[in-house]
Amino acid sequence: EDQVTQSPEALRLQEGESSSLNCSYTVSGLRGLFWYRQDPGKGPEFLFTLYSAGEEKEKERLKATLTKKESFLHITAPKPEDSATYLCAADDFNKFYFGSGTKLNVKP
Amino acid sequence: GAGVSQSPRYKVAKRGQDVALRCDPISGHVSLFWYQQALGQGPEFLTYFQNEAQLDKSGLPSDRFFAERPEGSVSTLKIQRTQQEDSAVYLCASSVNRGGEQYFGPGTRLTVT
Repeated sequence: EDQVTQSPEALRLQEGESSSLNCSYTVSGLRGLFWYRQDPGKGPEFLFTLYSAGEEKEKERLKATLTKKESFLHITAPKPEDSATYLCAADDFNKFYFGSGTKLNVKP
Repeated sequence: GAGVSQSPRYKVAKRGQDVALRCDPISGHVSLFWYQQALGQGPEFLTYFQNEAQLDKSGLPSDRFFAERPEGSVSTLKIQRTQQEDSAVYLCASSVNRGGEQYFGPGTRLTVT
């Protein structure tokens, strides 16, 4: 069965402490891997799309990478305003499968 | 530059009532998706439209759930005879085409009492 698993479920970092979030996917054929940020009470906000293994994309303190089985969201020197839930989703040409998210809390 | 809008933002329904949730996608976006998000979980796919055609409704949990997009723009998700397990946030998303990034609305939080 196609599925997406994110780890860890929750992550607490000090401001400036870099880390990575993991998204493992098992889909029969991947069209694209998407990362979103979701703040409490809001809809997910699009961050990145990755289409092929080896691809990387960057935006400010965030960098997303993709292999054949997983994707990583690297956060460099995070700030408190990066606190949110980060969701990944895999598109297998039929459906989008979302993970349960990683709730990131960055302390000043 | 309006994004996706949804109304109402909050809805409280008594068990057994019917509800209708509205989604206004970004103008020109062909694809429209509905998701259900339980607390602490990721969005779960409900249904997908391409213009006015409902191409996939495999995620609708029961025949009490019905969605339409009659003119290929605004969409309505209707839930008949609501049950407590229907309590969740209902998210709408639109994209330029099927494989593109989806832009989400703020969601409608449905509480069934």
